[in-house]
Amino acid sequence: AQSVSQHNHHVILSEAASLELGCNYSYGGTVNLFWYVQYPGQHLQLLLKYFSGDPLVKGIKGFEAEFIKSKFSFNLRKPSVQWSDTAEYFCAVNFFGNEKLTFGTGTRLTIIP
Amino acid sequence: DAGVIQSPRHEVTEMGQEVTLRCKPISGHNSLFWYRQTMMRGLELLIYFNNNVPIDDSGMPEDRFSAKMPNASFSTLKIQPSEPRDSAVYFCASSLRPDRGEKLFFGSGTQLSVL
Repeated sequence: AQSVSQHNHHVILSEAASLELGCNYSYGGTVNLFWYVQYPGQHLQLLLKYFSGDPLVKGIKGFEAEFIKSKFSFNLRKPSVQWSDTAEYFCAVNFFGNEKLTFGTGTRLTIIP
Repeated sequence: DAGVIQSPRHEVTEMGQEVTLRCKPISGHNSLFWYRQTMMRGLELLIYFNNNVPIDDSGMPEDRFSAKMPNASFSTLKIQPSEPRDSAVYFCASSLRPDRGEKLFFGSGTQLSVL
């Protein structure tokens, strides 16, 4: 069964610090990979996704993620975080041809001004 | 389009009562998902439908939970009888072609509290 692991449950950073959130998925063939974000009081929205092509994917608000197939990873990065990045971040995966989207348990990011 | 619409936004009920959560997906979307979000377990997929047909309900916790999609524009998630451990935020999401990497559009969720 497909699964996703996010090892960082809660990350606290100061503004302007660099960010990297880990995401690993179980092996299962060709994958689609996603990062969703949930700002306080809001519903989930897509941050970025990898479908095919360049393994370095750029998303909204300066976020990017790199798909490393050999490591089954899709880590999220941002070089300089802002207070407004405080949110919960979810990694998700589905296998090509399969509608089922499985989420990790999420990482709560708190940015201190 | 107004997006994915869920109702009610908040539901407070007593243990043993029946709870029905409702979802209207985005028009034209083929797939509909029900997720449950808790602090301890994050986002869990309960069930999803493709073209109104339940495809995978392996995430449904137990027989107290049931979901239906009688047509392309409406789905319900029912809990009968409800228990305090069912307290969570329940999200509905829809997508056009998630198997091709299309994103999910989420509703605002239903915050369920079972006392």
